[in-house]
Amino acid sequence: KAGVTQTPRYLIKTRGQQVTLSCSPISGHRSVSWYQQTPGQGLQFLFEYFSETQRNKGNFPGRFSGRQFSNSRSEMNVSTLELGDSALYLCASSWAGGRSEQFFGPGTRLTVL
Amino acid sequence: AQTVTQSQPEMSVQEAETVTLSCTYDTSESDYYLFWYKQPPSRQMILVIRQEAYKQQNATENRFSVNFQKAAKSFSLKISDSQLGDAAMYFCALTGANSKLTFGKGITLSVRP
Repeated sequence: KAGVTQTPRYLIKTRGQQVTLSCSPISGHRSVSWYQQTPGQGLQFLFEYFSETQRNKGNFPGRFSGRQFSNSRSEMNVSTLELGDSALYLCASSWAGGRSEQFFGPGTRLTVL
Repeated sequence: AQTVTQSQPEMSVQEAETVTLSCTYDTSESDYYLFWYKQPPSRQMILVIRQEAYKQQNATENRFSVNFQKAAKSFSLKISDSQLGDAAMYFCALTGANSKLTFGKGITLSVRP
C-alpha cells in the first residue's frame, strides 16, 4: 500500500503571496491532519479533515485554511504569507481519526523570503 | 488542554548499549493514546511505538519498549542494543478523542560507534 504523499516537497515564496500544499492519504484513510513544524514552536496541530469536513482546528490565524475532497485528498492554503510561515508542513492520515494511528507524509518545506 | 514535556533536549548512547528517553504528559481525558515518533534527518515521521492508556501492560516493539506510569503521567522509551540507525530526533506525543496529536519538543539522540 502506498504511503502518504505530499506535493510539492519544497517551495519558495515571497511575503504576501499565497500557497497551496497537497496531501494524498493512504488508500482507505478518511482522516487527514496537518501539522506545522518549526525550530522555535516545534510541532503544532493545524486542522483535521474527515469525510470532507473540518472536524478539529488548532490555534492558527484564518490565513491558514484547508479542504478535503471526496477521494480524501486534502489541500492546505496559506494566504498573505509572512516570514514566520516558513516551516515544514506535515500531513498525516488515519483510518478514522480520533485515536487511530496517524501515518505521516514526508512533508513540504516552505520558505518565505 | 493537553501538554507533553520532554525535558532533555539531547542524549547520547554508545552503540549496543541501552538508553531511556523521558516524557511526561498531562491530559484531562481518561481514554487517550501515547506515542513515540522518530524523525531522522530525512524528516519523515515514523511511529516507533504506541500505548493505549487503558492497557496496564507496557508496549514493546522489538528493541523498543515503554515504561508507562499512568498515575505519574510518565511515558519513557527504552531503546535496547542501540544501533547507528537509531540516531534521530524522538518525539513523545499524546492524542485523545479529537484526533489532535500534541507533541513534546523532542529529543535528539546520537549514537556513538
